[in-house]
Amino acid sequence: GENVEQHPSTLSVQEGDSAVIKCTYSDSASNYFPWYKQELGKGPQLIIDIRSNVGEKKDQRIAVTLNKTAKHFSLHITETQPEDSAVYFCAASSNDYKLSFGAGTTVTVRA
Amino acid sequence: NAGVTQTPKFQVLKTGQSMTLQCAQDMNHEYMSWYRQDPGMGLRLIHYSVGAGITDQGEVPNGYNVSRSTTEDFPLRLLSAAPSQTSVYFCASGRHGTGQETQYFGPGTRLLVL
Repeated sequence: GENVEQHPSTLSVQEGDSAVIKCTYSDSASNYFPWYKQELGKGPQLIIDIRSNVGEKKDQRIAVTLNKTAKHFSLHITETQPEDSAVYFCAASSNDYKLSFGAGTTVTVRA
Repeated sequence: NAGVTQTPKFQVLKTGQSMTLQCAQDMNHEYMSWYRQDPGMGLRLIHYSVGAGITDQGEVPNGYNVSRSTTEDFPLRLLSAAPSQTSVYFCASGRHGTGQETQYFGPGTRLLVL
C-alpha cells in the first residue's frame, strides 16, 4: 500500500516568516495530494490540494508543489500568522479515493 | 447545510462492551469513510463506502463493522471494545468521480476503552 512520510514533525517559526512542510510518497499511482489543517479538538480541514497533472498551486498565503519524478510534495505558508498554529497533515490517494496520511507536523507561530 | 456530523463527541467504554459511532452527511456525497487518529500516526483508514449498500475494508478494519443502508448515514460498530481501540475517530465524506476527490471530515468522536 501507499506509504507517506512527513517532515518535520514539529516546526516553530517567527510570525511573518515562512513555513515549509515536506512529504514523500511511495506509490507511483497516487494522483491526488491534499493538505489538511487540524486545530485542537477539531476535525481535519482541507486547506489546499493538488492533482498529479499540476506542478504547483497557490491560494493566497498557501502554496503546494509536486514533484512526481521524485515522489514528493511540499506545503509552503508565507507571512505566517498566529492563527496558522495547528497540526498539518499531508495525504495521498490514487483512483480508489483511500487517503494515506503522513504523521503530521505541529506548527507553532511565535508572536 | 450541516456538513458531516458525528455523535457522540466523547464516550467511555469498558472492555467487551459494544457501541455504535454515528456519522451523517447532508451533502449527498457518495463516498464515506472512517479513520482513527492515534498520536504520532496520522489518520488510518478503517472502512469506507462508495455508495449505499457497498462497503469495503481499509488499512485497520479488525474489530470494526460498518453498513451503508442510506446515502446519508455510515455508522461504525465496535462489537467488543478493547483498550487498543482507544482513539479519536473521524468520519469523512466526498463525491465519487474523477476530479472530485476532496473529502470533508467531521468533528470526531473521542473514545476511551478501559
